[in-house]
Amino acid sequence: EVQLLESGGGLVNPGESLRLSCAASGFTFNNVWMSWVRQAPGKGLEWVGRIKSKNVGATIDYAAPVKGGFTISRDDSKNTLYLQMNSLKTEDTAVYYCTTQGGTDGSSHHYWGQGTLVTVSS
Amino acid sequence: QSVLTQPPSVSAAPGQKVTISCSGSSSNIDNNYVSWYQQLPGTAPKLLIYDNNKRPSGIPDRFSGSKSGTSATLGITGLQTGDEADYYCGTWDSSLSAAVFGGGTQLTVL
Repeated sequence: EVQLLESGGGLVNPGESLRLSCAASGFTFNNVWMSWVRQAPGKGLEWVGRIKSKNVGATIDYAAPVKGGFTISRDDSKNTLYLQMNSLKTEDTAVYYCTTQGGTDGSSHHYWGQGTLVTVSS
Repeated sequence: QSVLTQPPSVSAAPGQKVTISCSGSSSNIDNNYVSWYQQLPGTAPKLLIYDNNKRPSGIPDRFSGSKSGTSATLGITGLQTGDEADYYCGTWDSSLSAAVFGGGTQLTVL
């Protein structure tokens, strides 16, 4: 059974940093592209970024609003995905989900974690 | 303002059929695969349709997807009260080099 367990969320002040983790199990993690998707309270889904598998170069893509401030990485030896978030802003307040990517072009989000809430407020 | 446009809400009676549209452009829907997600209240989204019209295992055939040009459609037949949820379309945008989602459609089963 595929399981994705996010952790690391919490309340931080604007300008501070936070690192989220996503522990994966039930599938061959190193072969799978992974993404982060967030959802602000009462709002829709917003893609944050993705990291491809190492066998295709572990390329990373980011959404424009987070580029330069967020960093996605993966540790295949620990089956874990990370999201380092620096210089956080109030508009980064959201539930953050990690997802597995699949489909013919790798664009669909097949499995989702339960999410971890990040609140940026003074 | 989402790159993909969905109606904010749709409604239908139990047992009936409903369709949810998702409108995009040549840089996203027209040249990439579309997926659909269901988000029940208070839960994480779940994949319903991928590659325009494929269903993951465990998704009933009451759910279907189609695509034509720059638009995609999710169809749900035999509506049940348990289908009340928010539905999102998603795809890749080649111009933005980013994944994009629609703004979401709230389904009410009257």
